[in-house]
Amino acid sequence: AQKITQTQPGMFVQEKEAVTLDCTYDTSDPSYGLFWYKQPSSGEMIFLIYQGSYDQQNATEGRYSLNFQKARKSANLVISASQLGDSAMYFCAISHNTDKLIFGTGTRLQVFP
Amino acid sequence: DTEVTQTPKHLVMGMTNKKSLKCEQHMGHRAMYWYKQKAKKPPELMFVYSYEKLSINESVPSRFSPECPNSSLLNLHLHALQPEDSALYLCASSQGKWATNSYEQYFGPGTRLTVT
Repeated sequence: AQKITQTQPGMFVQEKEAVTLDCTYDTSDPSYGLFWYKQPSSGEMIFLIYQGSYDQQNATEGRYSLNFQKARKSANLVISASQLGDSAMYFCAISHNTDKLIFGTGTRLQVFP
Repeated sequence: DTEVTQTPKHLVMGMTNKKSLKCEQHMGHRAMYWYKQKAKKPPELMFVYSYEKLSINESVPSRFSPECPNSSLLNLHLHALQPEDSALYLCASSQGKWATNSYEQYFGPGTRLTVT
């Protein structure tokens, strides 16, 4: 069975600082995709970044980067230069080339001035 | 354009009512999804439509009835719901599992449903 674990229920970061949100996963399938989503209080799930299991390089999208350590089965999200608008719930998710996304329990990030 | 739209934004219904949630995307995506999300929990998959055919039903009670009239539209028909069905209902779409690159799902803003 596939599983995603986010061990940080809440994180605080000061504006303009970088923050790392942890995500570990458990799967025996060699082919999978890892995703990070942001959910502000408004409710919409916003896709941030994707990493394929065979990708050699860590994914980056603007201020978001994914620290992918395949042997450790971790896919941590790094947000650089935090902004107040980054305050939200962040979900890590895994998919095994199916239509099913399995989400972690989420980390609530709060950015303070 | 990565927009998925959902209507209504909020819905309050009684346990004997019949209502429908609507979802639309114009990204040419071939897969569409319904999720249910309770407060402070991750989204839970309910249904998946792939090429307008129901491909996954996560053992959802029959009081929820999905419908995919065409490749751009997805409905969720609600009948005889219970108060515990109150939640945020999210629609999503993607290229589907046959996509050659990433197959991320794009979500709509959701419908906040309250069953009284």
